Amino acid sequence: GQQLNQSPQSMFIQEGEDVSMNCTSSSIFNTWLWYKQEPGEGPVLLIALYKAGELTSNGRLTAQFGITRKDSFLNISASIPSDVGIYFCAGPPIFNNNDMRFGAGTRLTVKP
Amino acid sequence: EAQVTQNPRYLITVTGKKLTVTCSQNMNHEYMSWYRQDPGLGLRQIYYSMNVEVTDKGDVPEGYKVSRKEKRNFPLILESPSPNQTSLYFCASPPRGVGSPLHFGNGTRLTVT
Repeated sequence: GQQLNQSPQSMFIQEGEDVSMNCTSSSIFNTWLWYKQEPGEGPVLLIALYKAGELTSNGRLTAQFGITRKDSFLNISASIPSDVGIYFCAGPPIFNNNDMRFGAGTRLTVKP
Repeated sequence: EAQVTQNPRYLITVTGKKLTVTCSQNMNHEYMSWYRQDPGLGLRQIYYSMNVEVTDKGDVPEGYKVSRKEKRNFPLILESPSPNQTSLYFCASPPRGVGSPLHFGNGTRLTVT
């Protein structure tokens, strides 16, 4: 099935650095979601985007819904050790609202 | 508090021994789904259910069954588990309905030897 192309696969950064990751698809999406997963837990929603061009912030996190509706990015500013985890993009393609698709994830490591 | 509860958290079994992973949600929502998570592949949908007695295949349904006899529960059944079903499984339900962000359980780590 149609998966989302998420990059990079992993990032190793120093505390205080900014982080950027993105997701692309060949299909149009109605909604773009960004989740974070910590070890031993299920993914937790960070940001939800519902309109093309929308730019939304949640603390140090900022995400944008691409104007083509086929991509999204997530930025984390001034990273801290607790930002460590796996970040997933997700969304339902326009042709099937029942079908929540996920990227393969970006594993973030933050060195103090 | 909206909750999706899975059990067990960890399960080790042998090939061919039937098992069930339970999932319940307290949000009275119609939509529930099961995903498996594997390294480098993200989360892939196994089955989903739009309502009681309504279930549909996701991307990777082979080797799995589900049932939805009541709104609250959506068990995942492996009739004859195989080692390639060793994975981390998540049940999920969207608090605001189909197409809205999913609320996930804490996962079930299954090992099939």
